[in-house]
Amino acid sequence: TQLLEQSPQFLSIQEGENLTVYCNSSSVFSSLQWYRQEPGEGPVLLVTVVTGGEVKKLKRLTFQFGDARKDSSLHITAAQPGDTGLYLCAGGSNTGKLIFGQGTTLQVKP
Amino acid sequence: DVKVTQSSRYLVKRTGEKVFLECVQDMDHENMFWYRQDPGLGLRLIYFSYDVKMKEKGDIPEGYSVSREKKERFSLILESASTNQTSMYLCASSWTAQETQYFGPGTRLLVL
Repeated sequence: TQLLEQSPQFLSIQEGENLTVYCNSSSVFSSLQWYRQEPGEGPVLLVTVVTGGEVKKLKRLTFQFGDARKDSSLHITAAQPGDTGLYLCAGGSNTGKLIFGQGTTLQVKP
Repeated sequence: DVKVTQSSRYLVKRTGEKVFLECVQDMDHENMFWYRQDPGLGLRLIYFSYDVKMKEKGDIPEGYSVSREKKERFSLILESASTNQTSMYLCASSWTAQETQYFGPGTRLLVL
């Protein structure tokens, strides 16, 4: 069974700090997606990475797919209160479906 | 913009009641999914459907059934609700099973 483990599960930081969220597995994934979920809403896709070693940037967010396509990271520079939410990684598995990590809850305090 | 709507945002039901959760998408997506979301457990797939009248069990199908009579509509049924089914239920749709999934706002179900 393919699993995705996210760390940390909870993160509370001050506005302006940097942070990194990790998404790790012992299995290879065909692609890796990152979603953000705000309270009371469903997850919304931020980015998809498909190539080992790929780096994508979305304003202050930097996403990286590991060379072996087993892990990914999300780095936020100068976090803002608007970044608060649940961050979920999801991998394209060998069963043809997405497998989700358990999520990282981020709180950015002003 | 893709829109996925769910019939209720909040529901309170009693143990043993039959519960229907409905999901509608407007993008003509082939695939639709039902997940439950619990703190610390992420999203767990209950059922998914890859075409009208077609369904496959996900990771936690016990206690649930689904119906897809029309392409845009996917229903989740709790035949006899139990307290351990108290959760957030999320519906999603996508073009293929591994592409971007578009989620509804969720239904928070409380079973008393």
